[in-house]
Amino acid sequence: GNSVTQMEGPVTLSEEAFLTINCTYTATGYPSLFWYVQYPGEGLQLLLKATKADDKGSNKGFEATYRKETTSFHLEKGSVQVSDSAVYFCALGGNFGNEKLTFGTGTRLTIIP
Amino acid sequence: EAGVAQSPRYKIIEKRQSVAFWCNPISGHATLYWYQQILGQGPKLLIQFQNNGVVDDSQLPKDRFSAERLKGVDSTLKIQPAKLEDSAVYLCASSWTSGSNGEQFFGPGTRLTVL
Repeated sequence: GNSVTQMEGPVTLSEEAFLTINCTYTATGYPSLFWYVQYPGEGLQLLLKATKADDKGSNKGFEATYRKETTSFHLEKGSVQVSDSAVYFCALGGNFGNEKLTFGTGTRLTIIP
Repeated sequence: EAGVAQSPRYKIIEKRQSVAFWCNPISGHATLYWYQQILGQGPKLLIQFQNNGVVDDSQLPKDRFSAERLKGVDSTLKIQPAKLEDSAVYLCASSWTSGSNGEQFFGPGTRLTVL
């Protein structure tokens, strides 16, 4: 079955540092890949997504590239801010808008000024 | 556009009691999901509805959990009787039937504590 392995946390960085959160997956077929973010006290929000191999999703300075050859979807940001402190979830799902998401365990990120 | 609404936001009960959660999805979204998120883990799908029909309930503990979506809009999730291990955040999400490439929209969740 489908599964997602996500970099263990917590991760603590200084402001303006470079961020990488690793995510690898196991799936049949050609899933879509997602990064969701959960800010303190809020619900899950979609951060970015990619629907096919070599696609790059990007939003709010974050990027992730769908690498089929390495079954990876690592999240990166060149310069993090305190406001990026949150829990980040990698997930995989279907391509048709009505298939369940399989989530990783989440990575708690804390940015210190 | 209003988001996914859930209530209550918090619930504390004793084991063996019953509890129910309510979800109102985004208007027009045919697909509705209930996820369970245990502390320190990612959300796990409990049940998925397409309109008022069940698509996937393979991970729903059917001896104690039940869910319905009678008119294809609102949904309720019930636990009866609750166990200590049911303590978690219960998330409701919704999506279009197709064309969204899998994007789901999540509500704020209901945090359940079973004592």
